Amino acid sequence: NAGVTQTPKFQVLKTGQSMTLQCAQDMNHNSMYWYRQDPGMGLRLIYYSASEGTTDKGEVPNGYNVSRLNKREFSLRLESAAPSQTSVYFCASSEGVGDTDTQYFGPGTRLTVL
Amino acid sequence: AQSVAQPEDQVNVAEGNPLTVKCTYSVSGNPYLFWYVQYPNRGLQFLLKYITGDNLVKGSYGFEAEFNKSQTSFHLKKPSALVSDSALYFCAVRVRFFLNNDMRFGAGTRLTVKP
Repeated sequence: NAGVTQTPKFQVLKTGQSMTLQCAQDMNHNSMYWYRQDPGMGLRLIYYSASEGTTDKGEVPNGYNVSRLNKREFSLRLESAAPSQTSVYFCASSEGVGDTDTQYFGPGTRLTVL
Repeated sequence: AQSVAQPEDQVNVAEGNPLTVKCTYSVSGNPYLFWYVQYPNRGLQFLLKYITGDNLVKGSYGFEAEFNKSQTSFHLKKPSALVSDSALYFCAVRVRFFLNNDMRFGAGTRLTVKP
């Protein structure tokens, strides 16, 4: 059981370039999430997918798009990267979006935009 | 607005001593509270959560947390700290029917346990 996996682990982009962060979970969870982590700010939700076929905006969605490819996979796309998107990105999953559901996190992707 | 605060950026304790990492919350309904730990270059790992019932919640690795409604706090504790407990700790809160279904995380507290 790998849990939540993310690729790549590290990435350096130039301003204006695009890229897709990949996330997969093998826990048969219905819900998946993308967060960004910035120093001194904790984690902030970018987008989430309550179930296969649905996606919704979180607290900081601007500049990002997501795709829930199937039940296992949830990708995050930066169409035109900006230095403000330099951050560590975490994917998470949970059984559902109930308030008591525990979220399980991947190891993260460290992104630098020059 | 729903929020959670971790008033200490850094906590230092000696190995074998008890540790406390503080968390306070501000919500308009009944809170669901979580603690996560992050080791260097790793994702967040779930430690414990408070949903309802007993105010003292026991979790992984010997950690426990006490929910105090009157003080709106959910402090993380361990009776005897280990050097391996050194990590970044996050408190998070969810409120029923909160929009966007997200958890609000604190900024994190870096715990250092010295031998």
